[in-house]
Amino acid sequence: GDSVTQMEGPVTLSEEAFLTINCTYTATGYPSLFWYVQYPGEGLQLLLKATKADDKGSNKGFEATYRKETTSFHLEKGSVQVSDSAVYFCALSDRGGSNYKLTFGKGTLLTVNP
Amino acid sequence: SQTIHQWPATLVQPVGSPLSLECTVEGTSNPNLYWYRQAAGRGLQLLFYSVGIGQISSEVPQNLSASRPQDRQFILSSKKLLLSDSGFYLCAWAGLAVAETQYFGPGTRLLVL
Repeated sequence: GDSVTQMEGPVTLSEEAFLTINCTYTATGYPSLFWYVQYPGEGLQLLLKATKADDKGSNKGFEATYRKETTSFHLEKGSVQVSDSAVYFCALSDRGGSNYKLTFGKGTLLTVNP
Repeated sequence: SQTIHQWPATLVQPVGSPLSLECTVEGTSNPNLYWYRQAAGRGLQLLFYSVGIGQISSEVPQNLSASRPQDRQFILSSKKLLLSDSGFYLCAWAGLAVAETQYFGPGTRLLVL
């Protein structure tokens, strides 16, 4: 079945540091890929997505490129802020039928210190 | 624009008591609806999903049930709560136009004592 593997956390960075959170996936078809962010005590927010190979999703300074050859969708940001502290989830969408389901990674906790 | 509501925000219930969590979506019609549970370890588990009124699919057999009495209303229930039902419950919706993209509600934190 489909699966998503993302780097284990926690990740601790200083403000303005470069961020990379690795995500790789296994899927039988051609999934869409997502990054969600969860701030403390809140629900998940869609951060960015990509629907086909070589697409780049971007939002709020975060970027991720759909790499079919390496089955990866790594999240990057050039300069993190304290307000980026949150849990980040990588996910893929199964297009096998009309009932789309998301398969999530286990989440990566990011803490940014001032 | 579309919005999703969940209530209550927080709930503390004794073991063996019933449960009813509600999720409603505004600004869209005939959405796909989903219930997830997030345990303390942060991972998300899909519990139920629905593609229409009265249509419920269960992903994991357990102590919970779901119903969809109206197009934009999704209810998670239990007749008798267990300690292991504690967690953060998230509802999500996806529109027909972009059915693969799910949008999440603010969640309900349930503590069973």
